[in-house]
Amino acid sequence: EAAVTQSPRSKVAVTGGKVTLSCHQTNNHDYMYWYRQDTGHGLRLIHYSYVADSTEKGDIPDGYKASRPSQENFSLILELASLSQTAVYFCASSDARGHNTEVFFGKGTRLTVV
Amino acid sequence: AQSVTQPDARVTVSEGASLQLRCKYSYFGTPYLFWYVQYPRQGLQLLLKYYPGDPVVQGVNGFEAEFSKSNSSFHLRKASVHWSDWAVYFCAAPYMGYKLTFGTGTSLLVDP
Repeated sequence: EAAVTQSPRSKVAVTGGKVTLSCHQTNNHDYMYWYRQDTGHGLRLIHYSYVADSTEKGDIPDGYKASRPSQENFSLILELASLSQTAVYFCASSDARGHNTEVFFGKGTRLTVV
Repeated sequence: AQSVTQPDARVTVSEGASLQLRCKYSYFGTPYLFWYVQYPRQGLQLLLKYYPGDPVVQGVNGFEAEFSKSNSSFHLRKASVHWSDWAVYFCAAPYMGYKLTFGTGTSLLVDP
C-alpha cells in the first residue's frame, strides 16, 4: 500500500526560530505536495514538486521554503516561524497519470508556534 | 477558477439514519471530483472519485456520490450511517494539472 510518512508528528517552535518538517514516500510517485490545514479553510497548497531538485510555489508560499533532494523526500522549511503558522501540515504524493489520479496523504504534523 | 464549496460546516445524524453531505463546484471544462475523509488524528483518505461517465459513483464503506451538471453539485450520500463514520469529509477538484483544491470540509457527528 502507498505510504507517506511525516516527521515529527507534532512540534512546538519558538517565534523566529527555524522549523523543518520532513516527508518520505515509498510510492515511487513523481509529485509531492505540502498542504496546510486550518479550521474553516480546508487544505491549502503551500509548495509542490514534480521532480527531484525542483520545487514550485503553491497558493500560499509566503514564509515557507521547500526542498526535494530525492524522489522520496520532500521537506518544508520555515526560516522564521511566526504565530500565524500554527496549523496542521500535510504532506502528500501522487503519480502523474492524469486528472483523476489519487493523492495519498501522510498523517500530518501539528505545529504550534509560541 | 476551479473551486469547490461545502456549505455545511457541521452535520449531525443519528446512527442508522441516511446522510447527505453537500458539495458545489465551479469548474471550467470537464470536472473531475473527489471526496476524501479525515478520521481523527489521521491524514486524508480517498472515499471515491468521479470522472465523466456514470453520474453515480460508488465508494468505500457504502458511500456513493452523484454528479449533477445542471446543479453544479457532487453530493455524498450514505443509506445508513455507522458510528465509525464520525469524521471530517472534504470535497476536492484538480486544477492546473495535478494539484487539488479542497472545500472547507464538513464535520460529521453521529448520535448513538
